[in-house]
Amino acid sequence: SQTIHQWPATLVQPVGSPLSLECTVEGTSNPNLYWYRQAAGRGLQLLFYSVGIGQISSEVPQNLSASRPQDRQFILSSKKLLLSDSGFYLCAWGVGAGYTFGSGTRLTVV
Amino acid sequence: GQSLEQPSEVTAVEGAIVQINCTYQTSGFYGLSWYQQHDGGAPTFLSYNALDGLEETGRFSSFLSRSDSYGYLLLQELQMKDSASYFCAEVNRDDKIIFGKGTRLHILP
Repeated sequence: SQTIHQWPATLVQPVGSPLSLECTVEGTSNPNLYWYRQAAGRGLQLLFYSVGIGQISSEVPQNLSASRPQDRQFILSSKKLLLSDSGFYLCAWGVGAGYTFGSGTRLTVV
Repeated sequence: GQSLEQPSEVTAVEGAIVQINCTYQTSGFYGLSWYQQHDGGAPTFLSYNALDGLEETGRFSSFLSRSDSYGYLLLQELQMKDSASYFCAEVNRDDKIIFGKGTRLHILP
């Protein structure tokens, strides 16, 4: 069966510090992978998606970047965090109708 | 462009039936999905409609009308554990899913 792992679960980082969030998928090959962000009490905003190794599409201009160094690995990064980067970051995989989400990383930038 | 509209909050009584509506405006529309998210948790997939009509899965049903750009999620025999946020989400031809802002469902005993 397919599983998706995301870590860490919570993170508190100072403004200006770097960020690296990792997501890995097991039990499937060549998955479509996605990064979403959810602000408190808000909907999910699509940040990046990838259909294969090294292929990244960005949905919104921002302080973040994504990379896919391996088929089942998706990384969200920032060189210098802003206060506005705080939120709940969710990795997902899927094709078509239904996505499976990771458990999320709650990031607080202080 | 793409936008989905759904009510921000709905309140219902335990044991009752509630309907959460969603309208969409988009090009390249393939279908409408619904997700449930409990506080502090990740969204979980509930249902998907690609064709007009009603899809039933246990206590939950989802409906789509492509001609009206409209769908809804119907929850029957409400239980306290159904208190959560519910998101409609549009599946488009680029294999991306765009989410609405979510409907917070409050259930009263």
